[in-house]
Amino acid sequence: DADVTQTPRNRITKTGKRIMLECSQTKGHDRMYWYRQDPGLGLRLIYYSFDVKDINKGEISDGYSVSRQAQAKFSLSLESAIPNQTALYFCATSALGAEETQYFGPGTRLLVL
Amino acid sequence: EDQVTQSPEALRLQEGESSSLNCSYTVSGLRGLFWYRQDPGKGPEFLFTLYSAGEEKEKERLKATLTKKESFLHITAPKPEDSATYLCAVQEVGGSYIPTFGRGTSLIVHP
Repeated sequence: DADVTQTPRNRITKTGKRIMLECSQTKGHDRMYWYRQDPGLGLRLIYYSFDVKDINKGEISDGYSVSRQAQAKFSLSLESAIPNQTALYFCATSALGAEETQYFGPGTRLLVL
Repeated sequence: EDQVTQSPEALRLQEGESSSLNCSYTVSGLRGLFWYRQDPGKGPEFLFTLYSAGEEKEKERLKATLTKKESFLHITAPKPEDSATYLCAVQEVGGSYIPTFGRGTSLIVHP
C-alpha cells in the first residue's frame, strides 16, 4: 500500500460548491503539506502543519482551509470553489530531522466548472 | 525574482544522448537541495539530497552535483523510461525549512 494516499483522485465540481480533499499517511511523519501544481508554475505551497496542533499558511492560502484531524490525516477544503482553483493538488509529508525529505501522494486532479 | 530557476524548461534527447539539467538558486544560505522526478499525473518522487558544494550523488544513469550557486543533474546515455519532469527544490538555512520548488524541466527521450 502507498505510504501517502489522497482521496478523491479526480473531482469535478461546480463554482460555489464546498469540497474537501483528504490525505492520509502511514509513514509516521509529523509534518504534512498541501501543494497545488499548475502548468508552468510548479508546486506552490497552500498550507502546512508541523504537528496536530500546528497549522500555517503557505504562499497561496486564500480560498482554502485545512484541518489536521490526527497525525496521519490532513484535509484541504475549498470553501467556495472557483474555476481558477482548477489544478492538480498534492499532499506531502516529511519527518523532522536531518534531511526532511518530502514524500508526495499521487495527487488529486480537480476541475471547477 | 524566483529563488530557484531550472533550465531548460524542456529538453528532447535521443536515446543514448547524454545531457545535463540545471538548477540555480539565490538563497543566502543553503541547508539542502533536493531533486525529484515526476511522471505525468503522479506525485514527485525523491531522487537526491545535496548539502554542500562539491557533493555528488548517483543513481543509475543520473548524477547530481552541487556548487555554491547551482546544481546539475547529469543524465548519461538516457533511455525512454527516463522521460519525466525533473524538479529541484531548495531549503534555506533558518526559518521553517520549507523547500522552495523550481518550475521543473520536462525531459523527453526518444527511442
